[in-house]
Amino acid sequence: KAGVTQTPRYLIKTRGQQVTLSCSPISGHRSVSWYQQTPGQGLQFLFEYFSETQRNKGNFPGRFSGRQFSNSRSEMNVSTLELGDSALYLCASSLGDREYLFGNEQYFGPGTRLTVT
Amino acid sequence: SQQGEEDPQALSIQEGENATMNCSYKTSINNLQWYRQNSGRGLVHLILIRSNEREKHSGRLRVTLDTSKKSSSLLITASRAADTASYFCATVSDTGRRALTFGSGTRLQVQP
Repeated sequence: KAGVTQTPRYLIKTRGQQVTLSCSPISGHRSVSWYQQTPGQGLQFLFEYFSETQRNKGNFPGRFSGRQFSNSRSEMNVSTLELGDSALYLCASSLGDREYLFGNEQYFGPGTRLTVT
Repeated sequence: SQQGEEDPQALSIQEGENATMNCSYKTSINNLQWYRQNSGRGLVHLILIRSNEREKHSGRLRVTLDTSKKSSSLLITASRAADTASYFCATVSDTGRRALTFGSGTRLQVQP
C-alpha cells in the first residue's frame, strides 16, 4: 500500500496570508490527524477527522481549521499566518475504528515544512 | 501541551551498545506508543503497549510500562548507526480525547 502523502512538502508564506495543506491517507484508513511540530513546543495535536467529521480537537486557535472529504483525504487551513506558525505540519492516518480493541497506531506522512516570513 | 518528559534528552553511544530511553507521563492511559523520527521527517511507529501489559518485544526493541509510576522505557539492543534518530513516546488517554500526546523526545546518536 502507498503510504501517507502530504503536499506540498515545503512552503514559504508571508504574515497575514493563509495556507492550505493537503494529506492523502493510506487506502482504507478513515481517520486523519494533524500535528504541529516546533522546536519550542514539540509535537502538538491539532485535530482529527473521521468519516468527514471532526472527532477530536487540540488547543489551537480558530485560525487553524480542517476538513475531510468522502475519500478520506484531508486538508488543513491556517488563516492570518503568524511568524509562530512556522513549523513542520504532520498528517497521520489510522483505521480509526475499534481502537479499544486494536489500538490506534498512526502512520505519518513526511510532513509539510511551513515557513512564515 | 506535552504529556511528559523523556530522559535523557540526548544520548550518544557506540554501535553494538544498548540504548535505553525513559518516558514519564501524567495522566491515566489506554496505551503508550513509541515512534522514531529521522531528522525533520515523518514519524515511524515502532511499538504499542497497552495499559494492562508490562513488557513487549519487537525485534531489537523492548518496551516496559509501569502504570503505577506512570513511566515507560524503550531499550534498543545491539544498536546500529541506522538507529540514529529522535525517539518519542506518545500516550493515548483512557478517557476523553483519543489523540496521541507526545513526550519531548530523546535524540539518539549511534557512532559507527
